[in-house]
Amino acid sequence: GIQVEQSPPDLILQEGANSTLRCNFSDSVNNLQWFHQNPWGQLINLFYIPSGTKQNGRLSATTVATERYSLLYISSSQTTDSGVYFCAVDWANSKLTFGKGITLSVRP
Amino acid sequence: DSGVTQTPKHLITATGQRVTLRCSPRSGDLSVYWYQQSLDQGLQFLIQYYNGEERAKGNILERFSAQQFPDLHSELNLSSLELGDSALYFCASSLGRDRASYEQYFGPGTRLTVT
Repeated sequence: GIQVEQSPPDLILQEGANSTLRCNFSDSVNNLQWFHQNPWGQLINLFYIPSGTKQNGRLSATTVATERYSLLYISSSQTTDSGVYFCAVDWANSKLTFGKGITLSVRP
Repeated sequence: DSGVTQTPKHLITATGQRVTLRCSPRSGDLSVYWYQQSLDQGLQFLIQYYNGEERAKGNILERFSAQQFPDLHSELNLSSLELGDSALYFCASSLGRDRASYEQYFGPGTRLTVT
């Protein structure tokens, strides 16, 4: 099956800092989603981005499908951004394969 | 709020027992997916239903089964429970008509603890 690798595995930031989270995948994909899992366990949709660039407030994402990677940018980080960020890809029949996640801690 | 609802939020049961997890998709969504999140396996796809029919199967144990009813809600049945089945179980839904409508929205999850 497809491999999804996220890096770095852990990230500690000071409030106000910017960061880039990376997702590499080993095969062509139909779709790609970024999620934020908050400390209560809820998975929150951030982006649905099979290709191209999207922005939503302080967050933006870029997927370069031909080179098999996606980037999530967080600017001016806030403590509420803490949690685990997952990249998930749909490569067959719409089921999602998730990466292991990136744990982000934003310190005040 | 994603619009996907799951009940119960928490479930504590003993080994060997059987439980049923319930999911209601977002209004209008035809596809329902079940995922399991555990510390050792991460987030894994279990099974997908589309408009009442099974569409795809992932790493779902034979002790587990699911169905989607005519009103599109879905149930995941877990039987002969083992300690290793303790996990967070998510339901997700999507419109699922075509590739442009495959974005999945996740419910809050059911946390299952097997003692």
